[in-house]
Amino acid sequence: GENVEQHPSTLSVQEGDSAVIKCTYSDSASNYFPWYKQELGKRPQLIIDIRSNVGEKKDQRIAVTLNKTAKHFSLHITETQPEDSAVYFCAASKGDYKLSFGAGTTVTVRA
Amino acid sequence: SQTIHQWPATLVQPVGSPLSLECTVEGTSNPNLYWYRQAAGRGLQLLFYSVGIGQISSEVPQNLSASRPQDRQFILSSKKLLLSDSGFYLCAWRSGGVGYTFGSGTRLTVV
Repeated sequence: GENVEQHPSTLSVQEGDSAVIKCTYSDSASNYFPWYKQELGKRPQLIIDIRSNVGEKKDQRIAVTLNKTAKHFSLHITETQPEDSAVYFCAASKGDYKLSFGAGTTVTVRA
Repeated sequence: SQTIHQWPATLVQPVGSPLSLECTVEGTSNPNLYWYRQAAGRGLQLLFYSVGIGQISSEVPQNLSASRPQDRQFILSSKKLLLSDSGFYLCAWRSGGVGYTFGSGTRLTVV
């Protein structure tokens, strides 16, 4: 099955700086890559996603890039704010309706 | 609009007792439904998924079972809980080629 690895496991950034989280996947047939944000005690919520026919997607301060050849994708958060502090999960799917999740990255934004 | 309901929100159960967690979806038909478990500070582990009434796929051998008696109802059960069953249980649905929408979760503590 699909194996998704996520790095780093923890990330501490100064407010206003950028944060980057990287994920790799094993199944070259995977074609859908969402990112979830989970605040403490809450449910994960979809923040951005990208499909394999697109190399980059941006939504305000958040962007995701995809390198199909290398089988990795990344989440970029610019101008970080305290409310960006959360656990972020990447995931991958190849259309069989199952998402395989990375282990998560705990992001802390220091004021 | 589509909504997903999950209950109860918190549950404290003794070892050896039974478990029943319920999840229902509104505003959609024939959704793919999923049960995930998240141990404290850990990632999302897929337990079961269902693509239709009575159709259950198990991802990990567990002390748990799942059932889908109706199109928009998904139930997670156990006959005898173990301490290791403690965690945050999340129901999710997926319609079409998009990311999951998670329920609000049930925090289960087995004592």
